[in-house]
Amino acid sequence: EVQLLESGGNLVLPGGSLRLSCVLSGFTFSRYAMSWVRQAPGKGLEWVSGISGSGDTTYYADSVKGQFTISRDNSKNTLFLQMNSLRAEDTAVYYCATMMGGGGYYYAMGVWGQGTTVIVS
Amino acid sequence: DIQMTQSPSSVSASVGDRVTITCRASQVIGSWLAWYQQKPGKAPTLLIYSASSLRGGVPSRFSGSGSETDFTLTISGLQPEDFATYYCQQAKSFPFTFGPGTKVDI
Repeated sequence: EVQLLESGGNLVLPGGSLRLSCVLSGFTFSRYAMSWVRQAPGKGLEWVSGISGSGDTTYYADSVKGQFTISRDNSKNTLFLQMNSLRAEDTAVYYCATMMGGGGYYYAMGVWGQGTTVIVS
Repeated sequence: DIQMTQSPSSVSASVGDRVTITCRASQVIGSWLAWYQQKPGKAPTLLIYSASSLRGGVPSRFSGSGSETDFTLTISGLQPEDFATYYCQQAKSFPFTFGPGTKVDI
């Protein structure tokens, strides 16, 4: 069974940094592009960032461009999100998810983790 | 960026009802549209991709239709476990964007 497990969420001061991790089990990690999606308390879903299976192509929402960095270590089946200069509006549950598709064309996010909570206060 | 809107924002329904949710994109996205279900305190789950393709394991009472800018999610014969919030998401181009969600409750 495919499973995603996020970690790294915490309470952090404004201006601080945090690195989230997402570990995959149950399939070949490098075959899949990945995304981070967040959800602020009581709000809807916001796509944050994506990365190709090889790691050589990355994508960002305008709201986090230059502030967050997505990366992956395929040898460790792990996805990362480095978050810097954190602000109160970055407070959210952060989910990692697999992106279905390939070759730069992705049509949905298929498998989701349970989420990790980031509080900036 | 492509903006997504949904209507209604919430709908009250009963078990057995047919529920229809509409999603509109601010520009043409072809069939690059997915639908997700989210229950309180849980991660979203994928229901439909490519506008009308049912994800494996999803009950056939869920169906999707539409193309270009206008899309519909229909639940035919609402079940107790279907009370949740539903989101559409465009996958035509990055950054991906979600609709604001539609809450289906009793």
